[in-house]
Amino acid sequence: DAKTTQPPSMDCAEGRAANLPCNHSTISGNEYVYWYRQIHSQGPQYIIHGLKNNETNEMASLIITEDRKSSTLILPHATLRDTAVYYCIVRVAGWGSTLTFGKGTMLLVSP
Amino acid sequence: GAVVSQHPSRVICKSGTSVKIECRSLDFQATTMFWYRQFPKQSLMLMATSNEGSKATYEQGVEKDKFLINHASLTLSTLTVTSAHPEDSSFYICSGAGGPDTQYFGPGTRLTVL
Repeated sequence: DAKTTQPPSMDCAEGRAANLPCNHSTISGNEYVYWYRQIHSQGPQYIIHGLKNNETNEMASLIITEDRKSSTLILPHATLRDTAVYYCIVRVAGWGSTLTFGKGTMLLVSP
Repeated sequence: GAVVSQHPSRVICKSGTSVKIECRSLDFQATTMFWYRQFPKQSLMLMATSNEGSKATYEQGVEKDKFLINHASLTLSTLTVTSAHPEDSSFYICSGAGGPDTQYFGPGTRLTVL
């Protein structure tokens, strides 16, 4: 069963911020929230992950609600190259811990 | 992020033949590697988890005798599809655990079985 819920698709204008929501209401205390994206016919690309604090890196920001039941991935200035399927995944840390991919959100960035 | 390569990027083979796909971690040592496959318009499905020097752990429904996985070194894992059939045509993707927190994915191999 899917542990996360994401909208199937979203649109964003180039240059604007893209805010991708994710619900994970059954997340456990030791599970992190991970975001990956997959551009068509390529392997997934790691974006960011967090446990409970908000995180930011050169690609994106991750905002996790205080109850940890939902999160938002923010691409501050979307470009056409950000068009991809974005996957929100909950996972415990650990070398052998697996990633379970759901259907993700297809983000289309338009000029 | 860390780099994972796959070879070949695409392969076409005849039904009944075997195909080997290589997955290499180029700038880190991957004690654990994962193999996924992705059918058109579907999400990635985990096939197996392999640890260097030991037998792979296969997900339910994945035939271990058909999909042979070897992880002989910390930087190389191979997936061999034996006696391939058209229904094995798919996008095969590997990933390496660069640490306890993160997996890095290869670019994928497109397999077409005629």
